[in-house]
Amino acid sequence: DTGVSQDPRHKITKRGQNVTFRCDPISEHNRLYWYRQTLGQGPEFLTYFQNEAQLEKSRLLSDRFSAERPKGSFSTLEIQRTEQGDSAMYLCASTRTRGQGYTEAFFGQGTRLTVV
Amino acid sequence: AQKITQTQPGMFVQEKEAVTLDCTYDTSDPSYGLFWYKQPSSGEMIFLIYQGSYDQQNATEGRYSLNFQKARKSANLVISASQLGDSAMYFCAMREANNDMRFGAGTRLTVKP
Repeated sequence: DTGVSQDPRHKITKRGQNVTFRCDPISEHNRLYWYRQTLGQGPEFLTYFQNEAQLEKSRLLSDRFSAERPKGSFSTLEIQRTEQGDSAMYLCASTRTRGQGYTEAFFGQGTRLTVV
Repeated sequence: AQKITQTQPGMFVQEKEAVTLDCTYDTSDPSYGLFWYKQPSSGEMIFLIYQGSYDQQNATEGRYSLNFQKARKSANLVISASQLGDSAMYFCAMREANNDMRFGAGTRLTVKP
């Protein structure tokens, strides 16, 4: 399978615990996005990387959230001191830049986080 | 500020009929890309069609076509010959040069037999 993969698919955690999600993009893709999606809403942008550089962070990404892409390949998203409001689907997508053009982003199947 | 607007929370269409899902966007960047994605109840995001701001012709992919009206900043998705399997959420998205990709709130399409 050469698509975007996310791990775990589901995570249930107690409020106040830390959680970490992983995303493995398509291998030749240099751009990686993280989104959060709640029920009935569109994906909300969190952050994105161009290779290993984190180029933009949404204001949604509070100090409790941190993302890394240390070698420009896989990425991790960590949430510290989880709150019930963090319950959502966390989506990862990857794409490759191609000159002035835009290629579509391919999405993983997401990590569904439930904070109890 | 919201850059992608989908004004139809829900749409119904009869099987085999065509349906148009609306999307308007806001940008001052002359270079951008517009995308439509389908999200079935299983949750995965499926890419459908892409339109570049400099493309002269409207994009088409099988039963999907994009009605791109640049001056009006609209990028409506047209699905022809609707099938029951087309029932899903549909999201419009835009990516500006060197920027992130933003999504609209989505339209839930229901195809009736």
